[in-house]
Amino acid sequence: QKEVEQDPGPLSVPEGAIVSLNCTYSNSAFQYFMWYRQYSRKGPELLMYTYSSGNKEDGRFTAQVDKSSKYISLFIRDSQPSDSATYLCAMSGDSGAGSYQLTFGKGTKLSVIP
Amino acid sequence: DAGITQSPRHKVTETGTPVTLRCHQTENHRYMYWYRQDPGHGLRLIHYSYGVKDTDKGEVSDGYSVSRSKTEDFLLTLESATSSQTSVYFCAIRGRAAGYTFGSGTRLTVV
Repeated sequence: QKEVEQDPGPLSVPEGAIVSLNCTYSNSAFQYFMWYRQYSRKGPELLMYTYSSGNKEDGRFTAQVDKSSKYISLFIRDSQPSDSATYLCAMSGDSGAGSYQLTFGKGTKLSVIP
Repeated sequence: DAGITQSPRHKVTETGTPVTLRCHQTENHRYMYWYRQDPGHGLRLIHYSYGVKDTDKGEVSDGYSVSRSKTEDFLLTLESATSSQTSVYFCAIRGRAAGYTFGSGTRLTVV
């Protein structure tokens, strides 16, 4: 079992829809939980990160972490065609150099149709 | 990308030749990482550095070596390139918060 599992999609939604993206993980040592967005032929860019459990909101984006279930989610409200990209979840520990390395899910490719 | 640049952006090389990719940061951050990204595998860690001359292996380090003689530069060397090393290579830095900033990537093709 991979440490981080993410449904690769692809996921296609109409403009204005609410999008839900999810990852599960197995390593209890993970404390930082992040979502990256990657446009075609570009590097990943950090969207949001959360430390430990809880919710975080930034504009149309909401990140949720449930450590008891080892499950994280990213919600996109009022999705726009410009949100079309691959979304990567990533996680790391918080106890020094070795634990800081990020472990990524394989990414979910999202298309928002006008 | 602000504060981090990779060179070259594209490279085609022949099997068996050594190749060096460069990552340069202007942020003075301690932690730097090299990842490769392949279809079906996602991003996988090759090597990372936690300071000048301090490096360690990641998940897919075989066939790769790294060096960091200055805080700002982290070099990745393919000692003898193989076709299985055809990939997109990303460098990343870990900022004061936990998030990483990635470079724009190097597309390497080994023929």
